[in-house]
Amino acid sequence: KAGVTQTPRYLIKTRGQQVTLSCSPISGHRSVSWYQQTPGQGLQFLFEYFSETQRNKGNFPGRFSGRQFSNSRSEMNVSTLELGDSALYLCASSLFSGGNTGELFFGEGSRLTVL
Amino acid sequence: GENVEQHPSTLSVQEGDSAVIKCTYSDSASNYFPWYKQELGKGPQLIIDIRSNVGEKKDQRIAVTLNKTAKHFSLHITETQPEDSAVYFCAASIGSGGGADGLTFGKGTHLIIQP
Repeated sequence: KAGVTQTPRYLIKTRGQQVTLSCSPISGHRSVSWYQQTPGQGLQFLFEYFSETQRNKGNFPGRFSGRQFSNSRSEMNVSTLELGDSALYLCASSLFSGGNTGELFFGEGSRLTVL
Repeated sequence: GENVEQHPSTLSVQEGDSAVIKCTYSDSASNYFPWYKQELGKGPQLIIDIRSNVGEKKDQRIAVTLNKTAKHFSLHITETQPEDSAVYFCAASIGSGGGADGLTFGKGTHLIIQP
């Protein structure tokens, strides 16, 4: 069974640009969550999508957005990039929606560097 | 919102000894407490979880204890082995039923197993 696939794995952008990251969940999983991981703040919840609907959103500015397609694949977008957006962006899939409904299966992440 | 504190940030133990990592949470409504292990270059992977109606759970060399009154929970690893070296994250979630909040993670503990 294939795991969670994130693309691209690495990317470099400059301030002011925008970026789109992609996540393909485990087959059959309808929930996709996104987390930002930095050395200083650790793992922080961005948002969760379930059946193409955003179920919840963390405390991030509106520059961070996402969407989910009918095949459960998800994308997140960050506009007007800032230096502080440099981070590892992790996608996680699960069978059910909600932070307390069971195991999250994480991908290996997309490492974004903003120059 | 929920706040999770994790200690220590770094833990070095001799191979074969036990390791204990402690976390506290702030919101008494939290009812799900997973532990994730992250190896270098990979996404976090669930190793054990516990729900608020249980005080202790074991899985081979790994155990988790929960004290709801004190709002703290701990990970215990016995007979540590070199492959236990990794970063460990505790987390908490409030989400109830169809609720869709994300996990709130601790800042992580870098566990080093000395040969």
